[in-house]
Amino acid sequence: NAGVTQTPKFQVLKTGQSMTLQCAQDMNHNSMYWYRQDPGMGLRLIYYSASEGTTDKGEVPNGYNVSRLNKREFSLRLESAAPSQTSVYFCASSEARRRPPLPLHFGNGTRLTVT
Amino acid sequence: QQPVQSPQAVILREGEDAVINCSSSKALYSVHWYRQKHGEAPVFLMILLKGGEQKGHEKISASFNEKKQQSSLYLTASQLSYSGTYFCGTETRASGSRLTFGEGTQLTVNP
Repeated sequence: NAGVTQTPKFQVLKTGQSMTLQCAQDMNHNSMYWYRQDPGMGLRLIYYSASEGTTDKGEVPNGYNVSRLNKREFSLRLESAAPSQTSVYFCASSEARRRPPLPLHFGNGTRLTVT
Repeated sequence: QQPVQSPQAVILREGEDAVINCSSSKALYSVHWYRQKHGEAPVFLMILLKGGEQKGHEKISASFNEKKQQSSLYLTASQLSYSGTYFCGTETRASGSRLTFGEGTQLTVNP
């Protein structure tokens, strides 16, 4: 059981370049999330998708776009990368609308460096 | 608004106990606790729901004080494997399915 799969694992970009981070889950979860993690700042939500066909901004959405391609896949796009976007990016999924809520399952992360 | 975790870091010897606190200025529906080892993804530990419920996971337990909007994580008789960064994630009624994470508490357990 793969859980949440992210690609690529590592990426180096030059300022101004674009790229898409891919995420897929095989747990049939409705909700998917993109977080970024910077030293000393914990995990900050970039965008989330509560269900297929919907996306919403999180705490730090500027400079990013997302696509919920289908129930399994949720991609994050950087249109014009900036050094401030150097970070570790985590995709997560859950069945959060259940009560009590189910936990987040995280992918292994993408380590992005923008020079 | 991000919950506040304390302490920021703690160093223990194997077998010692520790408490990590998580406080929010907002009325909480649930508190989630995760542990992350260096270079790895966060891993779920437990969820606390409003009502002062206490949960356990191995020798790790937690409580949730709904009136104070605080949760505490208790690590008893710590093991080397407990080393890592602990995050609390909070959910409010307004946030829906979104969690807001604290900055983390770095726990180091030495032999």
